[in-house]
Amino acid sequence: KQEVTQIPAALSVPEGENLVLNCSFTDSAIYNLQWFRQDPGKGLTSLLLIQSSQREQTSGRLNASLDKSSGRSTLYIAASQPGDSATYLCAVDSGGYQKVTFGTGTKLQVIP
Amino acid sequence: EAGVTQFPSHSVIEKGQTVTLRCDPISGHDNLYWYRRVMGKEIKFLLHFVKESKQDESGMPNNRFLAERTGGTYSTLKVQPAELEDSGVYFCASSQDSGVGRNEQFFGPGTRLTVL
Repeated sequence: KQEVTQIPAALSVPEGENLVLNCSFTDSAIYNLQWFRQDPGKGLTSLLLIQSSQREQTSGRLNASLDKSSGRSTLYIAASQPGDSATYLCAVDSGGYQKVTFGTGTKLQVIP
Repeated sequence: EAGVTQFPSHSVIEKGQTVTLRCDPISGHDNLYWYRRVMGKEIKFLLHFVKESKQDESGMPNNRFLAERTGGTYSTLKVQPAELEDSGVYFCASSQDSGVGRNEQFFGPGTRLTVL
């Protein structure tokens, strides 16, 4: 059974800092890993999708890496902004029918 | 292009009542998923449709939950009778099935269910 852990549970940084969010998973036999953000009271926004054959994906100020052998993914946010404040979730696709397992999330606050 | 939509956005019902949640996937997406986040806990998978067929319903908590996807288009998730512990946010997601890999899931805004 896949288990996904995100550390830290909460993070507060001043505006402009670069930061890294961590995601760990127990079963390395995955198909892909997605990073999402969730704003309070809203749904999930997909940020990046990394296929199992890939090492990293980049979109704007975001960079996600994947190391299957160690069961880890990181989401790097460069030059953080107050608008980046949200809960960040990673989700691992390893099931037989594409169901994903979510981590518990990291709540990020970027202070102006 | 319209994304995944869910209705209602928020539902407040009393214990013992029935509630039906609806999800409209992105047009052309054969895969439809239901997930839920119970207060304070992680988001968990409920079930997966491929077109109108239930591919995997291993996450459905009990027989008070019934999901359907008539004609392989929109899906409904009915909770009957609702219990207090059913409160949470119910997410729907859809993805294409290209047959050549695992595709990105696109999520709806969720339905917040409150059972009093």
